[in-house]
Amino acid sequence: AQSVTQPDIHITVSEGASLELRCNYSYGATPYLFWYVQSPGQGLQLLLKYFSGDTLVQGIKGFEAEFKRSQSSFNLRKPSVHWSDAAEYFCAVGAINQAGTALIFGKGTTLSVSS
Amino acid sequence: DTAVSQTPKYLVTQMGNDKSIKCEQNLGHDTMYWYKQDSKKFLKIMFSYNNKELIINETVPNRFSPKSPDKAHLNLHINSLELGDSAVYFCASTRGRSYNEQFFGPGTRLTVL
Repeated sequence: AQSVTQPDIHITVSEGASLELRCNYSYGATPYLFWYVQSPGQGLQLLLKYFSGDTLVQGIKGFEAEFKRSQSSFNLRKPSVHWSDAAEYFCAVGAINQAGTALIFGKGTTLSVSS
Repeated sequence: DTAVSQTPKYLVTQMGNDKSIKCEQNLGHDTMYWYKQDSKKFLKIMFSYNNKELIINETVPNRFSPKSPDKAHLNLHINSLELGDSAVYFCASTRGRSYNEQFFGPGTRLTVL
C-alpha cells in the first residue's frame, strides 16, 4: 500500500539557517510527489511537485526538493529560513487506481523558527 | 477571486445533529475532493467526484453523504454527528483524473459537542 513517512514531527530552526525536512514514500510505481505548506488556520498551498525529469525540483518561496529513487525520499530544503516559514509541512504522494487519483499525505512536520 | 471556497468556516453543533458543508471552485476543474484533517493534523482522503460522478469513496461511514450538483460544487452532508467527527474538512479540486496539482479550500472546522 502507498504510504508517506515524515520522520520529524517538530523541527526548530534559527532564522537564516538552512532547513531540510525529510520525506520517505512507499509506492509501487513511479511516484508523483508533492510538498504542501499549511499556515495556522489556513488551507494547504502547494510548494512544489515532482512528476518526472530533473530530480531537483524548484518551488515557490525559495524551496527545493530532491527526488532520490534509491532512497525512496523526497526531502524539502531551503538555504535560509525566514520567520514567515513557520508552518506545518506535508509531503504527499499521488496514488492512482482505476477510478482516479488522491493524495496520500504524511503526518506532517511542524516547523518553528527562532530568532 | 477565491479559487476554492468553503462555507461555513466554523461549525459548532451538538451530537446527533445533521449538518452540511459546501464547497465551490471557480477554476474550471472537473474533479473535486473532500479530505478530513484530524486533531493530530493527519489528512486523509474521504471522497472524490469527477464530472459529478463519485469515483473515490474511502471507507467513510455512510452517515457522510457527498453530493455534487455540478462540476463546480461538492457538498458534504453529515447525519447523526458524533464526537469523532470533529475535525477540519478540506475541499480540493483538480483538472482531470490524473496527476495534477490539487487546489485546496481554506477548510471548515467542525466541532461536535
